Amino acid sequence: GESVGLHLPTLSVQEGDNSIINCAYSNSASDYFIWYKQESGKGPQFIIDIRSNMDKRQGQRVTVLLNKTVKHLSLQIAATQPGDSAVYFCAEGGGYNKLIFGAGTRLAVHP
Amino acid sequence: NAGVMQNPRHLVRRRGQEARLRCSPMKGHSHVYWYRQLPEEGLKFMVYLQKENIIDESGMPKERFSAEFPKEGPSILRIQQVVRGDSAAYFCASSPPGQGTEAFFGQGTRLTVV
Repeated sequence: GESVGLHLPTLSVQEGDNSIINCAYSNSASDYFIWYKQESGKGPQFIIDIRSNMDKRQGQRVTVLLNKTVKHLSLQIAATQPGDSAVYFCAEGGGYNKLIFGAGTRLAVHP
Repeated sequence: NAGVMQNPRHLVRRRGQEARLRCSPMKGHSHVYWYRQLPEEGLKFMVYLQKENIIDESGMPKERFSAEFPKEGPSILRIQQVVRGDSAAYFCASSPPGQGTEAFFGQGTRLTVV
C-alpha cells in the first residue's frame, strides 16, 4: 500500500549545528506534505508544509525541500537548539486532511 | 481561541469495559479527524467527520469502534469491550471547512487497558 517512510530513526546533533531529517513517500498523487514536531506526551505540532507544485519552502529556521522525481522530502533546521529535541513526522495529504504519517525520526540535540 | 481540547488526558479501562474519548474542535472548525498512535510509531488515520456526518471511516476497525460528531457538543470516539491491543494514544485534529487546510491537533488521550 501507499506509505510514507523515514530513512533515519534517530538523529543526534550538537547544539548550533544544522539538522536534516529525511522522508520518502510513495504516493505521487499527494497534494501537500507537512512536517510535524511531537514532544513527549503532547500532540503533533505543525511546523511547515509544502504544496506538491513547489520544491522549496522556508520558515523561521526551517526549510522543507521536496524532490518529486525521487519522492523525497526533507526538513532542515538551522542552528538546532535543545528545544528542537523531539520526534519529527512527515505526513502527506490530499483533498481533505486525511494524513498519512511516517514512522518518525527522533532528534536529540546535545549541548 | 482555545485549541483542540481532548479529555480525558489519561484513561484506564479494564478489559471488556467501554472507553469514551471526547474532542472539542477549535472554534469555527467543523471538521474533526481521529488518529491512533502506538508507542514509537506514527499516527494512523481512523475517521473523518463533519457535523452529524461520517465522511471517511476507512481507518476504523470494523467492530467495537464508533465515532460521532453531533450537531451540539464534542466529537466522541467510543470503543466497546476494550482489549489490551486498544492501548494507545488517540489524537483528535480539527480544521475549518476547505481542502488542504492545516489541521490542529489536540494533546491526545492515552488509553491504557489493564
